Amino acid sequence: SQKIEQNSEALNIQEGKTATLTCNYTNYSPAYLQWYRQDPGRGPVFLLLIRENEKEKRKERLKVTFDTTLKQSLFHITASQPADSATYLCALNTNAGKSTFGDGTTLTVKP
Amino acid sequence: NAGVMQNPRHLVRRRGQEARLRCSPMKGHSHVYWYRQLPEEGLKFMVYLQKENIIDESGMPKERFSAEFPKEGPSILRIQQVVRGDSAAYFCASSPPSVAEDYGYTFGSGTRLTVV
Repeated sequence: SQKIEQNSEALNIQEGKTATLTCNYTNYSPAYLQWYRQDPGRGPVFLLLIRENEKEKRKERLKVTFDTTLKQSLFHITASQPADSATYLCALNTNAGKSTFGDGTTLTVKP
Repeated sequence: NAGVMQNPRHLVRRRGQEARLRCSPMKGHSHVYWYRQLPEEGLKFMVYLQKENIIDESGMPKERFSAEFPKEGPSILRIQQVVRGDSAAYFCASSPPSVAEDYGYTFGSGTRLTVV
């Protein structure tokens, strides 16, 4: 069956370090993959999108990689700040329209 | 641009009542998606609609749940005869017809349904 797995544990890091979050999937052939941020009591906010033919995408302190052979995406936040503390969700899309979300990884950046 | 507007933000219903959740997509967006999120869990897809059409309802429970996106007005998610297990946050998202380079879904703030 189709499955999306994100870091099973919450991630705690020190301010200034690089946070790396993992999204693994099985039995999918996604056309593209997205990363979202969700704060408590709020809706998810779109961060980055990467397509199947792209290896890497950057936006300010964020970097996403996409390896369709390993069936994995890595999401990096460099020079992390306490304000980056949130739950991060990956979402896979075929070309059929809907996004299927992982359960998320909760990141805490300590000052 | 007001973004995706959901109302009400909080909704309390007694068991057996009907819950009606509304979603107005962003201006220019013709695609609407509904997701449900239980506490400490991820977003679960429910239904994908375009104006006057249900495109994919594979995540909708077979009974008591229905959704529409009429030609005029907001998208509505309706839950009839609510039960305690329906208590969750319901999120609506919208998108333009094709996903652009730096444009994913835009989500609303959600409706938190509590069934008592």
